[in-house]
Amino acid sequence: EAQVTQNPRYLITVTGKKLTVTCSQNMNHEYMSWYRQDPGLGLRQIYYSMNVEVTDKGDVPEGYKVSRKEKRNFPLILESPSPNQTSLYFCASSWGGFNEKLFFGSGTQLSVL
Amino acid sequence: QKEVEQDPGPLSVPEGAIVSLNCTYSNSAFQYFMWYRQYSRKGPELLMYTYSSGNKEDGRFTAQVDKSSKYISLFIRDSQPSDSATYLCAMSGITQGGSEKLVFGKGTKLTVNP
Repeated sequence: EAQVTQNPRYLITVTGKKLTVTCSQNMNHEYMSWYRQDPGLGLRQIYYSMNVEVTDKGDVPEGYKVSRKEKRNFPLILESPSPNQTSLYFCASSWGGFNEKLFFGSGTQLSVL
Repeated sequence: QKEVEQDPGPLSVPEGAIVSLNCTYSNSAFQYFMWYRQYSRKGPELLMYTYSSGNKEDGRFTAQVDKSSKYISLFIRDSQPSDSATYLCAMSGITQGGSEKLVFGKGTKLTVNP
């Protein structure tokens, strides 16, 4: 089954404790991206990647890191999480970019205390 | 002016009603227009995809794009309780900053009552 898999689904952590949210897709997609979704603010892009070893900032990249060492994986790293990063996070992928159909993961609800 | 504006609702209609959801945008360079549907605690899924102006129909759903007015719409005919979800408009192209990217509206929450 074609899918984008995010883990974990729920995560509670404390300020300053490094964490990684994993994202994997099994569709051989070139393009992958991370979004955060907050009430009243909608979906905002954090980072995206057009291919292996190619990443670029989205609208809200501060406090986040990403890497794309393999085509299928695109982890989101929070080196020193803060409470304002409490949010619902989505990973997405597509064949050729944001103009194509995006496939979203099921989301990761992160709470930073 | 925000790049994309979407009324957040909430919108509540009886089963069988015709639903109209709308977005306005400011960047005339947007070329690709999409509607995503998001059920509670799920990721968004693409519902309709339109390139440039015009109408597109898929079953009970019709997407309209009016580039001259910078206005896009999604119509749902014979609405069903299973249509209850948040609907996100999205559009892509060159932003005001000169970069190419996808921009989402904030979403309209729809409830269809049996």
